[in-house]
Amino acid sequence: DGGITQSPKYLFRKEGQNVTLSCEQNLNHDAMYWYRQDPGQGLRLIYYSQIVNDFQKGDIAEGYSVSREKKESFPLTVTSAQKNPTAFYLCASSHFAGTEGNEQFFGPGTRLTVL
Amino acid sequence: AQKVTQAQTEISVVEKEDVTLDCVYETRDTTYYLFWYKQPPSGELVFLIRRNSFDEQNEISGRYSWNFQKSTSSFNFTITASQVVDSAVYFCALRTRGAGGTSYGKLTFGQGTILTVHP
Repeated sequence: DGGITQSPKYLFRKEGQNVTLSCEQNLNHDAMYWYRQDPGQGLRLIYYSQIVNDFQKGDIAEGYSVSREKKESFPLTVTSAQKNPTAFYLCASSHFAGTEGNEQFFGPGTRLTVL
Repeated sequence: AQKVTQAQTEISVVEKEDVTLDCVYETRDTTYYLFWYKQPPSGELVFLIRRNSFDEQNEISGRYSWNFQKSTSSFNFTITASQVVDSAVYFCALRTRGAGGTSYGKLTFGQGTILTVHP
C-alpha cells in the first residue's frame, strides 16, 4: 500500500542528545514536510523540501536539521539546541509543492519526549 | 500575513446531533486554497476536502458538508447526524501562492477543534 511511514512511534531523549526521526514515503511525491504539533495548537512548519538535495526552513527551524538525499526519505534531526523538543512530530508529502492546491498526506507521527 | 482561526476549542455533542465547526481565514492573496483535515486519536491527519478561492460552491459528501463564503472569509464544516467515530480533532488550513514569485505556498493551520461525540 502507498503511504507515509514514520518511525519510531514513541521516542524518549535525554537532555543534550540529538535524535533523528525517520520519514519515508512511497507515493512518488516530490515535496515533503515536517510539522510540530503542541497541545492546543495547530501544526507549525519546521522544514520542507520540494526536490531532492534541496530544503527550506519553515517557521520554527531553529534547533532542527534535515536532509533530502533520496526522494523517498526526509529525516529530521532534533538537536540539543532545540530548547523545548517535547512534542508530536508529523511528516507529510505532496505532489510538486508549486501547485498550491495539492493536498498534503500525513504520516502517523512520532511522539518525542525529553526526559 | 495569513491566519486561520477556529474559534471553538472544544465541542461536545450527543450522537445524531448536527454540529458545525467554524473556520475564519485571513489572507491578502486572491488565489488560495482551503483545506479541512481530521485527526483521530491515532494521530495521523486525514485529508477531508480542498476548496479553491474561485469556487464558492458548497459541497456535500455523505454526512459532511462545507459552506465557503468569501464575503465573510469563512469555510465552515458541518457534520449531520454525528456518530461516535466522528470524535477527533479537526483542522482548517489555508494555502496561498508563495511570495516573490516562488511557487511554494505555506500551509497555515488553525488551532484545531476537538469534537467529542457521546453515545
